[in-house]
Formats: sequence, C-alpha cells, structure tokens
Amino acid sequence: QVQLVQSGAEVKKPGASVKVSCKASGYTFSSFYIHWVRQAPGQGLEWMGLFNPSGGTTSYAQKFQGRVTMTRDTFTSTVYMELSSLKSEDSAVYYCARMGIVVPAATFFDFWGQGTLVTVSS
Amino acid sequence: DIQMTQSPSSLSASVGDSVTITCRASQGIRNDLAWFQQKPGKAPKRLIYAASSLQSGVPSRFSGSGSGTEYTLTISSLQPEDFATYYCLQHNSYPLTFGQGTKVEIK
Repeated sequence: QVQLVQSGAEVKKPGASVKVSCKASGYTFSSFYIHWVRQAPGQGLEWMGLFNPSGGTTSYAQKFQGRVTMTRDTFTSTVYMELSSLKSEDSAVYYCARMGIVVPAATFFDFWGQGTLVTVSS
Repeated sequence: DIQMTQSPSSLSASVGDSVTITCRASQGIRNDLAWFQQKPGKAPKRLIYAASSLQSGVPSRFSGSGSGTEYTLTISSLQPEDFATYYCLQHNSYPLTFGQGTKVEIK
C-alpha cells in the first residue's frame, strides 16, 4: 500500500537548519512529484514547493527561495526538505504529499505523510 | 499568484444539516481544485479532486461542484465524524494556494 513516512520531531535554535525526510513506498517513486506543505500552530496550510524524483528538478514558493532545498535518495525512495536560517515563525508541522507526473489530477495530494513537528526556540 | 478566498471561515451546524463551503479563485482555475478534510493532529485527507470527483472511500454525502472561479463543497447530511476543518487547494498554476479553511463545529 502507498505510504509516505516522515522523520520525527525536531527542536532547533534560531539560525540553524532542519532536514525532514519523506520515505515513499508502495508505488513507483519516480512517477510522482513530492510536494511540501507546512502548517503553523492553529493556522492554515501553506505550500512550500515540489520535488521531481525523476529528474531531480524543483520548484519553490518565492517565500522560501534561498532558504529551502529539496533533494532525494533514489536508493531509499526518500525525499528530503531542508530549511535553513530558521526563525521562530518556522515552527510548524511539515507535511509531504504526492502528485502523479502523468495523471496529476487523479492523484493530486491523494496520499500525505503523517507530518513532522519542527520547533524553533532559543 | 492565484488567491483562493474560502468562506465561511467557520460555521456551526447540527447532525443531519446540509452545509456548503465556497472557494473563489482570483482567476479561472479550470476545475484544478481539490477539497481536504483535516482533524486535529492529523494530516489532511482528500475528499474531492478535479472539482467534483469523489475520492474512493469517501462517503457520498460529500460532493463538489463549480467551474471557472467559483467552487463549492457540500456535505448533504452532516455526521458526527464530519466536524473538522476543510480546505480547498488550487493546482492550476504555481504557486499552489490553499483557501484559509472552514472550521465546521457542532451547534
């Protein structure tokens, strides 16, 4: 069955970086984009960017340009999202979700990771 | 960027009521819209995709409609497990943008 399993909670100091993983299983890794979405406490959902596991290409929301980097490990079917220069406002739950490359609408965000809580505090 | 204006931001309803949530896009999004349900501490769950297609396994009391810039999610007979927050998300163009969310509470 399709699963996206994320890494565990993190506590970081302001200015540090955090790297969250999203391990995919149950489907062809290279056939689906991985998107990242975050949710600050008590707030709505915010799209951060996407990673194409097939070509390694990325598209980032302008708000995160220069601070976010998405990469992959093809051998373990894992996508990573690294956010640098952390601020208290980056404290949030970070989610990964998939979207099919060939048939995007039908598979758009049909499976999500369980979420990773990142706390930024001095 | 496409702005998604979701309304209402919250509503109170009783079990058995019918409720409608609306998302208006700042420009046409050609049915590239999905609806999600989120419960506290959980990841969002997709209910509707392509504006009106029901996700497999989702009860038929959920339905989506709309075109162009205006889209609606209707829950025809609210059940206790439907009390949650609902979001729309457009994927017609990048950056992807969510509605602000609608919290459905028990009256």
